[in-house]
Amino acid sequence: NAGVTQTPKFQVLKTGQSMTLQCAQDMNHNSMYWYRQDPGMGLRLIYYSASEGTTDKGEVPNGYNVSRLNKREFSLRLESAAPSQTSVYFCASSELPTARGEKLFFGSGTQLSVL
Amino acid sequence: AQTVTQSQPEMSVQEAETVTLSCTYDTSESDYYLFWYKQPPSRQMILVIRQEAYKQQNATENRFSVNFQKAAKSFSLKISDSQLGDAAMYFCAYRSEDSNYQLIWGAGTKLIIKP
Repeated sequence: NAGVTQTPKFQVLKTGQSMTLQCAQDMNHNSMYWYRQDPGMGLRLIYYSASEGTTDKGEVPNGYNVSRLNKREFSLRLESAAPSQTSVYFCASSELPTARGEKLFFGSGTQLSVL
Repeated sequence: AQTVTQSQPEMSVQEAETVTLSCTYDTSESDYYLFWYKQPPSRQMILVIRQEAYKQQNATENRFSVNFQKAAKSFSLKISDSQLGDAAMYFCAYRSEDSNYQLIWGAGTKLIIKP
């Protein structure tokens, strides 16, 4: 039971570099999410995809782009990394959108440092 | 806008004892969902318990139970017979209708279990 798989687990970037965080789920879930977690703060939603073929901005979308490649995969791209994007990034999925109080399943996170 | 407040950055409890983690929220909605998620050192968030606001009865999952006070907008988590494996960060979350049904998260409470 892989659940939600994120790669990489750790990454160090220089300011201005780009990278893509990968996420895949094997639970046939419709909805997928990208969050960031900063010290002393709750999770903040970056982007989400309620269903295959749709994506929407969350609370903190600036500096990020996403692609819902297919039902399984949802990637997060940083086009020009900034130190403010140093954070732990989590991918999550749910069977249905959270409007119905659905349980979220999380990956184990990517710790990203931007120097 | 809705907010979720966890006023205890850190709590400690003796193994086998009972501990209560606090969560308050601010909302004008009448129908919503509340959640407690656990984040162990492995970083992967796991749902502990969920409460629907329209249900009067407090949710229970084995050693975990909630005290849901709708009028007071309070949603505390009680852990009975604490075990070493309960050591983790605990996050309270609220499903927000205003934010397109996405979750609003508290800042978390670190729970330490003393052997």
